[in-house]
Amino acid sequence: RKEVEQDPGPFNVPEGATVAFNCTYSNSASQSFFWYRQDCRKEPKLLMSVYSSGNEDGRFTAQLNRASQYISLLIRDSKLSDSATYLCVVNSETSYDKVIFGPGTSLSVIP
Amino acid sequence: GAGVSQSPSNKVTEKGKDVELRCDPISGHTALYWYRQSLGQGLEFLIYFQGNSAPDKSGLPSDRFSAERTGGSVSTLTIQRTQQEDSAVYLCASSSPTVPPPYNEQFFGPGTRLTVL
Repeated sequence: RKEVEQDPGPFNVPEGATVAFNCTYSNSASQSFFWYRQDCRKEPKLLMSVYSSGNEDGRFTAQLNRASQYISLLIRDSKLSDSATYLCVVNSETSYDKVIFGPGTSLSVIP
Repeated sequence: GAGVSQSPSNKVTEKGKDVELRCDPISGHTALYWYRQSLGQGLEFLIYFQGNSAPDKSGLPSDRFSAERTGGSVSTLTIQRTQQEDSAVYLCASSSPTVPPPYNEQFFGPGTRLTVL
């Protein structure tokens, strides 16, 4: 089983739609969880950390379910500028300081 | 402040040649990562340096790939006898696990686009 797995995508949604991405991880002892965003031909950048109690940043909401070992990212009122690949990131089974990136889920927001 | 820088931004080489890619992490960051990303694919982990610990080389695809980090700062990724399948964007990232959250946030450089003819 891969350490981090994500919805395969791609997701094609109209502007204004709500879209949710899911991510599962294999290390039950993981403590660090993130969502990164990668625009086409650009480097990944941190979108938001994921905290145990769940957290929200504007139109973005991240949730963590430790019992089921999954993380979700919800985007409300999608904008064209949200089109990107979303990467789930979890710290490694083999090293607490090392993080593992999921394969990413591509989102295209259509006018 | 200065972010992660990488050089060169683009490198075209002939099959069989050796190449060196450089990464300058953010000052004070103890962790440094190298990744590879082929067109349309996800990030492939290559190697990880953390402080003075032995590097985690578990992602290096073959013994043609090596990396070093001198003085806990600058890192060089070397690919010997390049092959066409080595063509990809090579990304470097640094982080500082000791700072407050977001713990382990990685800051990426712009990458080096390697093309092997």
